[in-house]
Amino acid sequence: RKEVEQDPGPFNVPEGATVAFNCTYSNSASQSFFWYRQDCRKEPKLLMSVYSSGNEDGRFTAQLNRASQYISLLIRDSKLSDSATYLCVAKDLDSNYQLIWGAGTKLIIKP
Amino acid sequence: NAGVTQTPKFQVLKTGQSMTLQCAQDMNHNSMYWYRQDPGMGLRLIYYSASEGTTDKGEVPNGYNVSRLNKREFSLRLESAAPSQTSVYFCASSSTPGQLAGVPYEQYFGPGTRLTVT
Repeated sequence: RKEVEQDPGPFNVPEGATVAFNCTYSNSASQSFFWYRQDCRKEPKLLMSVYSSGNEDGRFTAQLNRASQYISLLIRDSKLSDSATYLCVAKDLDSNYQLIWGAGTKLIIKP
Repeated sequence: NAGVTQTPKFQVLKTGQSMTLQCAQDMNHNSMYWYRQDPGMGLRLIYYSASEGTTDKGEVPNGYNVSRLNKREFSLRLESAAPSQTSVYFCASSSTPGQLAGVPYEQYFGPGTRLTVT
């Protein structure tokens, strides 16, 4: 089974700190990658796509390392509202509809 | 604009009972999906509908059936519920994934249905 692996955490981080977590994917043919955010007992929502050159959206930076088959998410100046579970998602070349979802990394920001 | 709506929000079934989970979207999306989410596991695709009139199996279709009633609605049916089907079920929708580079459009999720089978 094609897999996306994430450290489940939780990562307990003080407010204002920088936190980073990775996910690894097993299928070298995976083509596109995304980070979704899921609040407790809520639905997932797209946080950002991950581009080969890396991309930044405010305090969030995503990087892709194809050689080592991992994706990273960096959160700077963390806020209490960043507390959530972050889901790593991969899409393979052979399907436009079937995404491979990681189980998520739980992040807790403490005041 | 409600986005993706699901009913019911919670359900408890006895083994062997049947039920239908309802999903509707008002974003004029072509593609719709049913997932289940279990503790410690990623979302797993049960069925999807690329466009109105078509449905296809995902990773874990056994024990489920779907109907794409029209462009807006996509239902999931459990004919004979089993305890292994205890899960949180999410419906999602998206625009038709782009062909160039195969980049899928963002998937929008409903609030989920928490199903317990005893």
